[in-house]
Amino acid sequence: AQSVTQPDIHITVSEGASLELRCNYSYGATPYLFWYVQSPGQGLQLLLKYFSGDTLVQGIKGFEAEFKRSQSSFNLRKPSVHWSDAAEYFCAVGAGAGGTSYGKLTFGQGTILTVHP
Amino acid sequence: GAVVSQHPSRVICKSGTSVKIECRSLDFQATTMFWYRQFPKQSLMLMATSNEGSKATYEQGVEKDKFLINHASLTLSTLTVTSAHPEDSSFYICSATGVLSNQPQHFGDGTRLSIL
Repeated sequence: AQSVTQPDIHITVSEGASLELRCNYSYGATPYLFWYVQSPGQGLQLLLKYFSGDTLVQGIKGFEAEFKRSQSSFNLRKPSVHWSDAAEYFCAVGAGAGGTSYGKLTFGQGTILTVHP
Repeated sequence: GAVVSQHPSRVICKSGTSVKIECRSLDFQATTMFWYRQFPKQSLMLMATSNEGSKATYEQGVEKDKFLINHASLTLSTLTVTSAHPEDSSFYICSATGVLSNQPQHFGDGTRLSIL
């Protein structure tokens, strides 16, 4: 069974500082990996995804993530955090390719990001 | 980008009431929709997967008679919480994905359900 671990429940950074949110996954085949962001009381917005190819993936809002198969990791990074980035971030792994098997996602526990001015 | 609309955003009702939540894909055909439940300060837990025109597939531990899911068209799925009780209070989120291979899930804004 697939699983996702986000080791950091809560991270605090200063505005303008760099950010790295950790994500480790467990999956028996090539994973489909995602990062989503959730603002309080709202749904999830897709930041970026990895299916194959270049292991460094660029997303929206200046975020990027790097897939490292040897470490089973898919860490999210941003070089300079803005106050509006404060939210909860979820890493997820999907199974399979195409069809409904692809769509079933397993989420990590989430990391709450607080940004200090 | 793809838009998924979820309605209502918030529901407060008495114990024993049945509550229907709608999930609509506004600009694409959603062959598959997913329903999640999120407890405070926790992650999303998949409740069920619904494919248009088929019966929903429920995850282990989710009561299918309690959480009725209908996906009658390519743009609409509904979740009905039957005879809701306080322990059903939660944040319910739907997502949808389309016919294209490798199309990611797009999420609605969620429904906060509070049972008194």
